Amino acid sequence: KAGVTQTPRYLIKTRGQQVTLSCSPISGHRSVSWYQQTPGQGLQFLFEYFSETQRNKGNFPGRFSGRQFSNSRSEMNVSTLELGDSALYLCASSLTGFATDTQYFGPGTRLTVL
Amino acid sequence: LAKTTQPISMDSYEGQEVNITCSHNNIATNDYITWYQQFPSQGPRFIIQGYKTKVTNEVASLFIPADRKSSTLSLPRVSLSDTAVYYCLGHGSGNTGKLIFGQGTTLQVKP
Repeated sequence: KAGVTQTPRYLIKTRGQQVTLSCSPISGHRSVSWYQQTPGQGLQFLFEYFSETQRNKGNFPGRFSGRQFSNSRSEMNVSTLELGDSALYLCASSLTGFATDTQYFGPGTRLTVL
Repeated sequence: LAKTTQPISMDSYEGQEVNITCSHNNIATNDYITWYQQFPSQGPRFIIQGYKTKVTNEVASLFIPADRKSSTLSLPRVSLSDTAVYYCLGHGSGNTGKLIFGQGTTLQVKP
């Protein structure tokens, strides 16, 4: 079956702009989690959605937001971009979202903020 | 969530068995240990998960001793394509969607 897809794969924005990233989970998966990966901070959890509800949130400012649609597809939005937001943004899907459930990661969206 | 400690880097040669040990002294009774593998510019990939004793799949083995304060990921006969970062995660069965990744172990396999 098809894996997790993320669009776009690469994105260049300037400071102050906003960006929307998209994630399509594996068919049948209802949980979608988002992570930010940077060389300095590593992989950090942003938030998790299940059945259109945010169930868990990491320690990120309110500029980072997300949502999930009825078909389980998810988007994350970053407003007022800062240079430090340059990162690889990964989404992961799983059946239930529980940590013991295998998380399937997408290839990521590489965001560069100039 | 159990705090995990693992070596920052390891070197090996093709065909050798590689053992990566992860320390998790504060592991809770209900915590599991899961290992993920990540190649550059890709998302992590699930390798194996265990609670205690030994778990084996087609890719690796995971050994967790009785006190569960450490675990060892064993990769049999590594190849160059096993060069990657390996993450050890300790977590409860809940913790919806939230995985805490440490710095991981960068494994370099040489020819």
